[in-house]
Amino acid sequence: DVKVTQSSRYLVKRTGEKVFLECVQDMDHENMFWYRQDPGLGLRLIYFSYDVKMKEKGDIPEGYSVSREKKERFSLILESASTNQTSMYLCASRPTKGQTEAFFGQGTRLTVV
Amino acid sequence: GENVEQHPSTLSVQEGDSAVIKCTYSDSASNYFPWYKQELGKRPQLIIDIRSNVGEKKDQRIAVTLNKTAKHFSLHITETQPEDSAVYFCAADNAGKSTFGDGTTLTVKP
Repeated sequence: DVKVTQSSRYLVKRTGEKVFLECVQDMDHENMFWYRQDPGLGLRLIYFSYDVKMKEKGDIPEGYSVSREKKERFSLILESASTNQTSMYLCASRPTKGQTEAFFGQGTRLTVV
Repeated sequence: GENVEQHPSTLSVQEGDSAVIKCTYSDSASNYFPWYKQELGKRPQLIIDIRSNVGEKKDQRIAVTLNKTAKHFSLHITETQPEDSAVYFCAADNAGKSTFGDGTTLTVKP
């Protein structure tokens, strides 16, 4: 079974803090993704990576950055957390670029106060 | 970029009835269309998918149809059961990047 693990299930951070969300997958997948899930808005892509050291902007990258130093780990960074970044964050991985399912982590519920 | 619209946003059916969720997409280059089910408090999981060279696919009570010309695809669940209650997401994928619909909350009443 593919396992995608996010480091925290729940996080509470203060406005202006730098926040790190970590994601690790154990199936040697090339592709990793960070999504944000808000009620009524589906899953919106923040950033993705097709390989180590590579990153590409998704649909809503503003206020976020990412790091992929190792193939199995993809980190999402909130440089200066704001209340409008309160959300559920989902990490996903896929074995190849095309026509394969995504495997999701359990999600991190981030609250910025 | 790709835009995916999903309808309805909520759907309530009686146990044993059928449920249909429809999605449209805008980018004709999209070639892979997965459907994910997310139960309350859990991660999304793939339930069925279809590739652009196929018009229909079925897996037990679940089927998906794709009309490439019209750029729409649909999920059909027959003989619904209470455990089918969840949020369902469609997605359109191009070169490994998936764009998701906003989700449909399906409630199956016993």
